[in-house]
Amino acid sequence: EAGVTQFPSHSVIEKGQTVTLRCDPISGHDNLYWYRRVMGKEIKFLLHFVKESKQDESGMPNNRFLAERTGGTYSTLKVQPAELEDSGVYFCASSQEGWGRRNTEAFFGQGTRLTVV
Amino acid sequence: LAKTTQPISMDSYEGQEVNITCSHNNIATNDYITWYQQFPSQGPRFIIQGYKTKVTNEVASLFIPADRKSSTLSLPRVSLSDTAVYYCLVGGQYSGAGSYQLTFGKGTKLSVIP
Repeated sequence: EAGVTQFPSHSVIEKGQTVTLRCDPISGHDNLYWYRRVMGKEIKFLLHFVKESKQDESGMPNNRFLAERTGGTYSTLKVQPAELEDSGVYFCASSQEGWGRRNTEAFFGQGTRLTVV
Repeated sequence: LAKTTQPISMDSYEGQEVNITCSHNNIATNDYITWYQQFPSQGPRFIIQGYKTKVTNEVASLFIPADRKSSTLSLPRVSLSDTAVYYCLVGGQYSGAGSYQLTFGKGTKLSVIP
C-alpha cells in the first residue's frame, strides 16, 4: 500500500512567486492534514480536511495560503505570493479517523522543503 | 492543553537500551500518550501509543505510571538507524473549530554512536 506522497520534495522560488504543493493521502483516508515547520520552530498545524471539506483551518497563517481538496482525494496548498518567512518544510498527513483525545495513527508524507529567496 | 517536556537530546552507543522520559503533568483523563519518530528529511512516523501501564510492540515499549504524569519510551538495543528525533504527544488539542490537532513539542534528538 502506498503511503502519503508529497510533491515536490524541494522547491526554491523567489519572493513574490507562487508555489503549489501537492499531497496524495493514503487511499480511503478521509482525514487529511497539513503541517509545517519553519526554521528552528516546532511542527505546527495548518489545516484539516474531512473528505473535500475544510474542517479546521485555524492554523493557516494568512490569506496568502490556500488549500484545496477537490473530490476528497489529493490536496494542494498554494502560497501566493510567497514571502521569505514561508520557507520551511510542509508536511501532509492522513488518517482514517479524525483525531480526538485518542490520537488515531496519522501517516505523514516526507514533506516538501520550500525555500523562498 | 497538556504540555509535554522532554530532554532536548540524548546520545547512546549501539546495542544499548535507550529510555526517553516525557513529563505531562496536566494530562487529561481521556488523553492518550503517543510517540512519533522523525528521521531527517522525512515526516514523523507513529511508533507507539498507550493510556496506562505498559504497551509493547515490535519497535518499542511504553511505560506509563499510575499517575500518568509522565511516560517513558524504551528502545531496546538501538542501532545507528535509530538516530532520529522522538516526539511525545498527549491527547489531541481541540482547536475550537471542530477539529483536534496533534501538537508537537521540540522532541528529543537521539544520536546513536558506533
